[in-house]
Amino acid sequence: GENVEQHPSTLSVQEGDSAVIKCTYSDSASNYFPWYKQELGKRPQLIIDIRSNVGEKKDQRIAVTLNKTAKHFSLHITETQPEDSAVYFCAASIGQGGSEKLVFGKGTKLTVNP
Amino acid sequence: DSGVTQTPKHLITATGQRVTLRCSPRSGDLSVYWYQQSLDQGLQFLIQYYNGEERAKGNILERFSAQQFPDLHSELNLSSLELGDSALYFCASSATRGGYGELFFGEGSRLTVL
Repeated sequence: GENVEQHPSTLSVQEGDSAVIKCTYSDSASNYFPWYKQELGKRPQLIIDIRSNVGEKKDQRIAVTLNKTAKHFSLHITETQPEDSAVYFCAASIGQGGSEKLVFGKGTKLTVNP
Repeated sequence: DSGVTQTPKHLITATGQRVTLRCSPRSGDLSVYWYQQSLDQGLQFLIQYYNGEERAKGNILERFSAQQFPDLHSELNLSSLELGDSALYFCASSATRGGYGELFFGEGSRLTVL
């Protein structure tokens, strides 16, 4: 399969709270899982990625966890700030042998209220 | 600035018409990807080229075609346009051949079909 399911579609939190976005994928061969942030009217930009040989990766206030057995991965943002407000997309590599493609979830619109 | 250039930024045309979107990748990147972004569908993968050759294909309609030229720029041709083709079309480039590594997105070409 080539599906990447992402939940929730919208998320509203208070400044300082944590936010968690979850994704599931269907291709057991997937081994690369990036997260992109798209601010309003702008292009998507990579914020963090993880490969299948790693269970967790952190970069300051953001972290990603991966459960290969369950085929799901999550983005965690701690101490959220208003500038974290954006649409976040998860993605998974689908396919093998140099013909992999990056399939994105439908996105989560995160709103951080001051 | 990602280094990926897309033209035109905006395009308004009528149903049944044909348009060409152009993308220049970052200097040194051999891979070019095309994505379609509409409101409820997130980032839909269309097609990927690596050094002039098609590497992976997504749910690209038969009315759509693309190619990557020897100078590595790419064009996405959309023909027999329908209202539902209205969307933001992103081009991205990367240094890797497969679906791994960071994708650098352009600013997008917003197509409106009336």
